[in-house]
Amino acid sequence: QVTLKESGPGILQPSQTLSLTCTFSGFSLSTYGMGVGWIRQPSGKGLEWLANIWWDDDKYYNPSLKNRLTISKDTSNNQAFLKITNVDTADTATYYCARMRWGHFDYWGQGVMVTVSS
Amino acid sequence: DIVMTQSPSSLAVSAGETVTINCKSSQSLLSSGNQKNYLAWYQQKPGQSPKLLIYLASTRESGVPDRFIGSGSGTDFTLTISSVQAEDLADYYCQQHYSYPTFGGGTKLELK
Repeated sequence: QVTLKESGPGILQPSQTLSLTCTFSGFSLSTYGMGVGWIRQPSGKGLEWLANIWWDDDKYYNPSLKNRLTISKDTSNNQAFLKITNVDTADTATYYCARMRWGHFDYWGQGVMVTVSS
Repeated sequence: DIVMTQSPSSLAVSAGETVTINCKSSQSLLSSGNQKNYLAWYQQKPGQSPKLLIYLASTRESGVPDRFIGSGSGTDFTLTISSVQAEDLADYYCQQHYSYPTFGGGTKLELK
């Protein structure tokens, strides 16, 4: 059974760095073809892909946010991470991690709400 | 960027109707290498995470009812829901993964 769960700070101030953790089970990020992606969704709005990392440590970023994003993984502990630097109110959203297969997302976490506010 | 445009943005239906949601990409999603279209469809119910319905344009994910049908190729794609049920009321999104992933703006399916 594949499960993913996101964790994060809940609330942070503008200009701080957002650190998110995705803890998963039921698959391994060392298995050929496996990937984990991060997607966010502001309240009442649509989905925006942020970044993804593959089993071979290949990484891809949304070009509009690339210089603010860092994705990484800890294969031994079945975790993936995303850091977003210099946040502002526009980064307020629910953040999801999802397993990636052939470029689509077949299992999603429940999401974690992040609010950026001074 | 490959821009994904969904229509309509909202749709009011009665139970038992057949509905069609359209998704158009700004570039072809058809791979010349394997003749596959890199297009997925998701369903998101209020307060829930998105759920994968269809991938590679027309392959139904395991456990998804066969009333959900994905079709199309190149730049034009369709999600058809036959005999809509109350449990199908949700937001629907298309997503391309021919290049880095981008999503359509969503279609809200509501009860008439």
